[in-house]
Amino acid sequence: DAKTTQPNSMESNEEEPVHLPCNHSTISGTDYIHWYRQLPSQGPEYVIHGLTSNVNNRMASLAIAEDRKSSTLILHRATLRDAAVYYCILRDVGGNKLVFGAGTILRVKS
Amino acid sequence: EADIYQTPRYLVIGTGKKITLECSQTMGHDKMYWYQQDPGMELHLIHYSYGVNSTEKGDLSSESTVSRIRTEHFPLTLESARPSHTSQYLCASSEGLAADTQYFGPGTRLTVL
Repeated sequence: DAKTTQPNSMESNEEEPVHLPCNHSTISGTDYIHWYRQLPSQGPEYVIHGLTSNVNNRMASLAIAEDRKSSTLILHRATLRDAAVYYCILRDVGGNKLVFGAGTILRVKS
Repeated sequence: EADIYQTPRYLVIGTGKKITLECSQTMGHDKMYWYQQDPGMELHLIHYSYGVNSTEKGDLSSESTVSRIRTEHFPLTLESARPSHTSQYLCASSEGLAADTQYFGPGTRLTVL
């Protein structure tokens, strides 16, 4: 599985947008970019995924670079409930499992 | 909201006991997974299944075993629990489509004394 690189931690103010970066320079043409998050004492939760085009859903937006070597998860208005570990994961369309890295710890200040 | 359940949520047990962690999903998903996660650490895949009567070992070696006799049920068993088995165990399932989003249960936090 191709590797991703994320900052260890980030901090945001409540009600402000948050941009969580992810580098994946070895991404292959059939790798989907997935984002999950894990709130304290809970199992991971799916956030969003994309292949080539930018994606929006009720939770977040995913901006994918034109060369696909990087992507950014955008939380439009951070709340205290968004404080979690955010994982950027590459998964081949024919692959069978997710490989979780260390992720980015997002802290949200009130 | 995902319909995947794990019981018990917390378990404290003595060394040498046999334990079974339950995982059930009502979404009809063929693929199911078990992950292990120590506090503050990464998740590691320990078992997965593509469907009934299919089980495979994951990336992290584990002394646990799994079975898949019914689509909705994927229990994990430790024949003889040891303190080194103390961890959080997370179950997940996915529908097997191209993007294959995984849905996670709340986890079982196991403590072996």
